[in-house]
Amino acid sequence: AQSVAQPEDQVNVAEGNPLTVKCTYSVSGNPYLFWYVQYPNRGLQFLLKYITGDNLVKGSYGFEAEFNKSQTSFHLKKPSALVSDSALYFCAVRDMNNNAGNMLTFGGGTRLMVKP
Amino acid sequence: GAVVSQHPSRVICKSGTSVKIECRSLDFQATTMFWYRQFPKQSLMLMATSNEGSKATYEQGVEKDKFLINHASLTLSTLTVTSAHPEDSSFYICSARDPRGRVAFFGQGTRLTVV
Repeated sequence: AQSVAQPEDQVNVAEGNPLTVKCTYSVSGNPYLFWYVQYPNRGLQFLLKYITGDNLVKGSYGFEAEFNKSQTSFHLKKPSALVSDSALYFCAVRDMNNNAGNMLTFGGGTRLMVKP
Repeated sequence: GAVVSQHPSRVICKSGTSVKIECRSLDFQATTMFWYRQFPKQSLMLMATSNEGSKATYEQGVEKDKFLINHASLTLSTLTVTSAHPEDSSFYICSARDPRGRVAFFGQGTRLTVV
C-alpha cells in the first residue's frame, strides 16, 4: 500500500520569506512523486514531479522540491513567497513498480497562507 | 502541459434528477481516467477508475448504480450522478494521466449542488 503524509494543515509565511511545505511518503517500490496546487473552486494544477535523476527538481512558478530517499520525503520549497502563492497544496505518490499503478495517492493537503 | 477539460464547472439540480459531468483529455489519449470527490477542506477521495471500453472500477463504499461512469472513447469519460440527493452535493474532479510524461492532469472540477 502507498500513502502520503502532509503533517501541517496550514503553513503561514510572510511575503518575501522562504517557504517549505512538508511531505513524506510510503511505497513498497520506487516512487513517482508529485506536487499539485489548488485554488478555490478549481481543479488541481501540476507544479512539479520527481521520476528519476537529480534529487532537486524545479517546477512552475519558482517552486522546487527535494527528493530524499533516506527520509522518504519530498518537501516543496520556494526561496521567496508571494501573496499569490496562497492556496492549497497536495503532495501525491505513485508506486512505479505497482502493476495496478495508475493510481495516485494524495496527502491531506496543506493550506499555504502568505501574508503581505 | 497537457489539458484535461471538465464540464460543467457548476451545476444546481433538483433532488431526484440526474446530472452528467464530462471529462475530456484535449491533447492526448487516455485509456484510464479517474474520478474524485472532494469535501470542503479535505483531500481528494478517489471514487472510481474509468477504463476505456470496459467497466469502471469503483472504490469501496462508492455505489456504482448511483455514480454511473462511461468511458466511451480515448478522450472522454462521463460521470452521471443518478437520482441526486442533497448529500451528493460536492466538488467532483476528474483526472487523466498523460502517457508521454507520466503526469496526471486534472479537470477544473464541477461544483454540484442538489437542492
